[in-house]
Amino acid sequence: QLVLTQSPSASASLGASVKLTCTLSSGHSSYAIAWHQQQPEKGPRYLMKLNSDGSHSKGDGIPDRFSGSSSGAERYLTISSLQSEDEADYYCQTWGTGINWVFGGGTKLTVL
Amino acid sequence: EVQLVESGGGLVQPGGSLRLSCAASGFTFSSYWMSWVRQAPGKGLEWVANIKQDGSEKYYVDSVKGRFTISRDNAKNSLYLQMNSLRAEDTAVYYCARDVVFDYWGQGTLVTVSS
Repeated sequence: QLVLTQSPSASASLGASVKLTCTLSSGHSSYAIAWHQQQPEKGPRYLMKLNSDGSHSKGDGIPDRFSGSSSGAERYLTISSLQSEDEADYYCQTWGTGINWVFGGGTKLTVL
Repeated sequence: EVQLVESGGGLVQPGGSLRLSCAASGFTFSSYWMSWVRQAPGKGLEWVANIKQDGSEKYYVDSVKGRFTISRDNAKNSLYLQMNSLRAEDTAVYYCARDVVFDYWGQGTLVTVSS
């Protein structure tokens, strides 16, 4: 069964960098994922597609401060030069043929 | 500009039905997988159902199988979700989303199942 695991919370200071992690379940380490941001009281926003080799393609208007990387079954979202508007929930998501498409449980990012 | 606009949400009693719609514009609708995603109050995102470009394949999360039906009308650039036998746990904001990566989202429509 395909499962995505995220830490429930993370925090970092204004202007600093933070790296969020999404872990694919055993046997699924080759899967690409997508990262989404959901600011308080807003709908989700697509950030990027992240492949197993670390290559990624960002959505329209996503700042360069957002980047992705991969290592084995782990997929990362790095946000640099943190701004107050980056305080949000971040979800990873994946898909496949003939299987349920899934979201991770989300990481709530607090900007201190 | 890509736009997805959901409608059809509302208050319904347990056991009732609702039909959600998603009007798409700004892209070639018939070229993309489309999905419904929901978010219960205070909870995370949950994929609900998806449909292939030509409607030939449809998939559902286990909790809605046999109760919900996803469909699309490519001539009308529209996606639908027929929801029957609604339960309290179906209460959520329902979003439509484009493609396998959900690269565009609608604003959502609230479905409340309560007596």
